[in-house]
Amino acid sequence: EAQVTQNPRYLITVTGKKLTVTCSQNMNHEYMSWYRQDPGLGLRQIYYSMNVEVTDKGDVPEGYKVSRKEKRNFPLILESPSPNQTSLYFCASSLRPGQGAREQYFGPGTRLTVT
Amino acid sequence: DAKTTQPPSMDCAEGRAANLPCNHSTISGNEYVYWYRQIHSQGPQYIIHGLKNNETNEMASLIITEDRKSSTLILPHATLRDTAVYYCIVRGAAGNKLTFGGGTRVLVKP
Repeated sequence: EAQVTQNPRYLITVTGKKLTVTCSQNMNHEYMSWYRQDPGLGLRQIYYSMNVEVTDKGDVPEGYKVSRKEKRNFPLILESPSPNQTSLYFCASSLRPGQGAREQYFGPGTRLTVT
Repeated sequence: DAKTTQPPSMDCAEGRAANLPCNHSTISGNEYVYWYRQIHSQGPQYIIHGLKNNETNEMASLIITEDRKSSTLILPHATLRDTAVYYCIVRGAAGNKLTFGGGTRVLVKP
């Protein structure tokens, strides 16, 4: 089954304790992206990757890192989480943007709470 | 990417068609209209997209006006499981991120 998976689904952590949220897709998609969703602010893009070893900042990259060493994986790293990073996080993937429409497929979400 | 305007909410009777409008008056010629939905706090789910022509798939139909300034998503036989927030998004082919606005909160009632 074609899907985007995220782990963990739920995480409660403390300020400053490094964490990684994993994202994996099995559709051989070049493009992957991370969003965060907060009440009243909708979904905002954090980082995206057009292909392996190619990443770029989205709208709200501060406090986050990403890496893309393999095509299927795109982990989101919070080196020193803070309470304002408490949010619902979604990973998404699609074929590489370019000619034609590109529907994005989203993971189930990771609810992160930083105390 | 062009901005979209949707009604904040609407109710629909189970088994009836749900017609969700979207205005995108500043859409440019190479921009697609996408529809996604988000059920509770699940990941957004792709529904359908179109450029100029009307489109239909197993989930819904998309009607785009001739001037492309507005569109309507049609859920032909709404079920309780269709209760969700529906987002209309306009994006060019080269664009990568999806800009989610407020969407339309659809409540399907028995």
